[in-house]
Amino acid sequence: DAGITQSPRHKVTETGTPVTLRCHQTENHRYMYWYRQDPGHGLRLIHYSYGVKDTDKGEVSDGYSVSRSKTEDFLLTLESATSSQTSVYFCAISESADTQYFGPGTRLTVL
Amino acid sequence: SQQGEEDPQALSIQEGENATMNCSYKTSINNLQWYRQNSGRGLVHLILIRSNEREKHSGRLRVTLDTSKKSSSLLITASRAADTASYFCATAETSGSRLTFGEGTQLTVNP
Repeated sequence: DAGITQSPRHKVTETGTPVTLRCHQTENHRYMYWYRQDPGHGLRLIHYSYGVKDTDKGEVSDGYSVSRSKTEDFLLTLESATSSQTSVYFCAISESADTQYFGPGTRLTVL
Repeated sequence: SQQGEEDPQALSIQEGENATMNCSYKTSINNLQWYRQNSGRGLVHLILIRSNEREKHSGRLRVTLDTSKKSSSLLITASRAADTASYFCATAETSGSRLTFGEGTQLTVNP
């Protein structure tokens, strides 16, 4: 998986609790992305980063925030989880913003 | 909204047959990419074709791009059971921009 890890791999939480997902890369790639994957919607971009402390919103950013304090880590935070945020979350990295390399995914269930 | 739309949504063939998947998109693009996703795994990049290219080959994969029709096709020749996966097209509207994914085609290759 091109030197990308995601943690945790599985998480069950309750509505209203904060959740942070971590993406870690060992490739020193500039770009990092967070997607969610839901049946019938394919992959949708939540937020992305084009450098340390440089982030921007994607298609479905409401209810999510991100931080990137160093090149190798990109954190996705759900400030107050809702059932609609139950999904599989994928991190991806890219050197040139063309080809992307994906992590193994995090399955999040919000009860 | 999704930029790319794959057709068909599901495809079932016998080992040794060819599999063709199509992708249509709405806006001008810089490049179009195809990814594969095995069940429970992250996406894997297969091939990238730029807007000034019409056809590209990689092993048993052949990708075509028709910018006038805003469509692309992915052909997998001599399919194998191991090709069973979901296949996604993704478009980049400008160089170095975000990717927009379609909903995918589920390919099943029967032994």
